[in-house]
Order: sequence, then structure tokens, then C-alpha cells
Amino acid sequence: DAGVIQSPRHEVTEMGQEVTLRCKPISGHDYLFWYRQTMMRGLELLIYFNNNVPIDDSGMPEDRFSAKMPNASFSTLKIQPSEPRDSAVYFCASSPLPGWGIQETQYFGPGTRLLVL
Amino acid sequence: DAKTTQPTSMDCAEGRAANLPCNHSTISGNEYVYWYRQIHSQGPQYIIHGLKNNETNEMASLIITEDRKSSTLILPHATLRDTAVYYCIAAYNQGGKLIFGQGTELSVKP
Repeated sequence: DAGVIQSPRHEVTEMGQEVTLRCKPISGHDYLFWYRQTMMRGLELLIYFNNNVPIDDSGMPEDRFSAKMPNASFSTLKIQPSEPRDSAVYFCASSPLPGWGIQETQYFGPGTRLLVL
Repeated sequence: DAKTTQPTSMDCAEGRAANLPCNHSTISGNEYVYWYRQIHSQGPQYIIHGLKNNETNEMASLIITEDRKSSTLILPHATLRDTAVYYCIAAYNQGGKLIFGQGTELSVKP
């Protein structure tokens, strides 16, 4: 298995532009997570899906951020309009249907490094 | 979720055991202790977790004190590839979130 795939790996954009980050989870995994990592705030959970349905989006910072999962093999995180403070590494993770827990079975992708100028 | 406290950084000699401490004095009875690590420029990787018993797997051992207020992650024979940031997280197994703190930056030196 190729693991969780994220694209692009690096993104540089200008303030005000729309940014779309993409994630392909591990085949057969029913949970998908989006995290953001910055030096100041560490690694934060933004949103997670179960069977393509958003379960908890309380970590999404504001309305400029949106996430979708149109099918089991693809998810997007969109920022519109982007701002310099959105500069961070964005990780996608996936997890299989839990036996009794999902916390230990999250597999992270390599991340997308976003720089908003 | 309970807050955890870890040293900012630690050094360890290659081949020696690395013992990474974590304090979680406010942990509730249903919260597990999870350990993840993040090698530079990669996504976090699960290591081990436990509730109250000591646990061991192919990567590490987890020692949890009897009062569950602290724990220690042990890498028995550290290698240079174990250089990473190690996160100790207290979280509910069901319905909880992994809340990553600042972690401990472990440097394994030759």
C-alpha cells in the first residue's frame, strides 16, 4: 500500500488566492482526518470524517476553511481566501474502522507545506 | 482531554535506552496514554498506548505509574533513526481527539 497520499507537497501562493489541498486515504480506511501544524500552535485537528460524512469540524478555524469528502478515496481542504497566517503544514491521516478505538490507528500522510505570501 | 507535560528536549547515546517521561496528573480514569513520534518533515507515527498496565511492542515499552499520573516511554536500544519529536497524549479511546502538545525532541547521538 502506498500509504496516505497528499498533494501538492509544497504550495506557495499569494494572500487572497484560493488554495486546495488534496488527500487520498489508505484504501479501506473509513476515517479521514485533517490536521494543521505550526510552530506556535503545534499539531491541531481541524476536521474528521467517517464514511465520507463530517463528524467533528470544531477545529476548523473559520469560514474561510472548508473540507469535503466526495467519495471514500478522496478529500479536499480548501482555503478561500488564503491569508499569511494560514501558512503551515497540513496533514491528512486515515484510520480503519475501529475495533474499539481509532486513536492508535491513524496513519499520517507526508503533509502539504503551505506558504501564503 | 487531560493535559500532558514533557521535557522540551533530551539527548541519548546511540545503543543506550532512551527514557522519555510524561506527566499527566489530571488524567481521568477512562483516558489512555498514547505515544506518537514525528521524524523531521514527516507525519506523526503511532508508537504505543496503554491504560494502566505496562505495555510493550516491537517499537517500545510504556511504563505507567500505579496512580496513572505519569508514564515513561522506553526505547530500549536507541538508534540515530529514533531522533524525532515524541508526543505523549492523554485521550479517550472512543470519541476523543488526539491533542498534540509540544512534545520532547529526542536527539540520539553517535
